[in-house]
Amino acid sequence: AQSVTQPDIHITVSEGASLELRCNYSYGATPYLFWYVQSPGQGLQLLLKYFSGDTLVQGIKGFEAEFKRSQSSFNLRKPSVHWSDAAEYFCAVARGGSSNTGKLIFGQGTTLQVKP
Amino acid sequence: DVKVTQSSRYLVKRTGEKVFLECVQDMDHENMFWYRQDPGLGLRLIYFSYDVKMKEKGDIPEGYSVSREKKERFSLILESASTNQTSMYLCASSLIGVSNSPLHFGNGTRLTVT
Repeated sequence: AQSVTQPDIHITVSEGASLELRCNYSYGATPYLFWYVQSPGQGLQLLLKYFSGDTLVQGIKGFEAEFKRSQSSFNLRKPSVHWSDAAEYFCAVARGGSSNTGKLIFGQGTTLQVKP
Repeated sequence: DVKVTQSSRYLVKRTGEKVFLECVQDMDHENMFWYRQDPGLGLRLIYFSYDVKMKEKGDIPEGYSVSREKKERFSLILESASTNQTSMYLCASSLIGVSNSPLHFGNGTRLTVT
């Protein structure tokens, strides 16, 4: 069965430091992968997505993610974190490799805390 | 700007009550979804609709039903609310069959069943 695992439930980084949030997926074929961010009291917003092609994808707010098939990973990175990045981050995979992107399987989420 | 509106931000209901959660989107999207968000579990799909009057069960449909009489509106119904349905409920919409169409989420309804 398809699944998404985010190994880190909670991460704290200092403002200005680099960030990497881990995501591992389980799917036999090429997956459609996503990262979403949820700020407090808000719905989820799409940060970036990977469908095919270049394995390093750029997103909004200075985020990027790298697809590594050999490691079944899609880790999210940012070179310098801002206090406004404090939020919950979700990795997701499209169910059954479908391009109908609404039927997603989400990971458990990682809460990011940013220290001044 | 794209907008998905959930009618209530917070709801408190009693066990056994029939509960309606309403969601409206203004983007003419075919797909609409109801997800449930719980700490440590992420988001889980309850129901999905790809057209008016069409619906499909997600991963956790037990205890829920849905209604989509108009394209822009998707309702989640708890026939007889129970305490284990206390949760955050998120509605979302997207275009159908378009690989680059992202999910657009509402801000959520936090339901407490006492």
